[in-house]
Amino acid sequence: DAKTTQPTSMDCAEGRAANLPCNHSTISGNEYVYWYRQIHSQGPQYIIHGLKNNETNEMASLIITEDRKSSTLILPHATLRDTAVYYCIVRVSYNTDKLIFGTGTRLQVFP
Amino acid sequence: DSGVTQTPKHLITATGQRVTLRCSPRSGDLSVYWYQQSLDQGLQFLIQYYNGEERAKGNILERFSAQQFPDLHSELNLSSLELGDSALYFCASSSPGQGHTEAFFGQGTRLTVV
Repeated sequence: DAKTTQPTSMDCAEGRAANLPCNHSTISGNEYVYWYRQIHSQGPQYIIHGLKNNETNEMASLIITEDRKSSTLILPHATLRDTAVYYCIVRVSYNTDKLIFGTGTRLQVFP
Repeated sequence: DSGVTQTPKHLITATGQRVTLRCSPRSGDLSVYWYQQSLDQGLQFLIQYYNGEERAKGNILERFSAQQFPDLHSELNLSSLELGDSALYFCASSSPGQGHTEAFFGQGTRLTVV
């Protein structure tokens, strides 16, 4: 599995956009970028995924660079409930491949 | 609610004992994954089952074993427990097929070994 690099922690003011970067320079052509988050010892929660195009859903947007070596997860209007550890993972989407978690980014949203 | 059910939610046991953690996947999901999360190790992948067969193995200790039953529920057995086995144990499930396969996680079992 390709490895990812994320900042250890980030802060964001409530109501502002939170931009969480991830480097995955060794990603393979058939590997997707997935983002999960874990709120205080709860089970990780799926946020979004993408292959090469930018993606948006009700939770977040995912921007993947053209060379696919990095990506950014954007929470457009962060709330206190978005305080969590965010994990960027690359995996082969088909074949129900396992998720390998790194250390993630601890996002603290403050009032 | 992810649809993945783990029991028990909390478990306290003594060193040397054996425990069984149970996971019921979402309806229709054939894959079950087990993860261990201790304070100093993050989320560690243990093992994956797919439709009753072992699919992938991570850093699972020999004292640990798992299985997936015909009704697709899974059990993680931990034996000869040590203090260092105290952790959150998560189960996740995903559906088969091509393309995007999102994994849904349960709320975990918190194991405390005393």
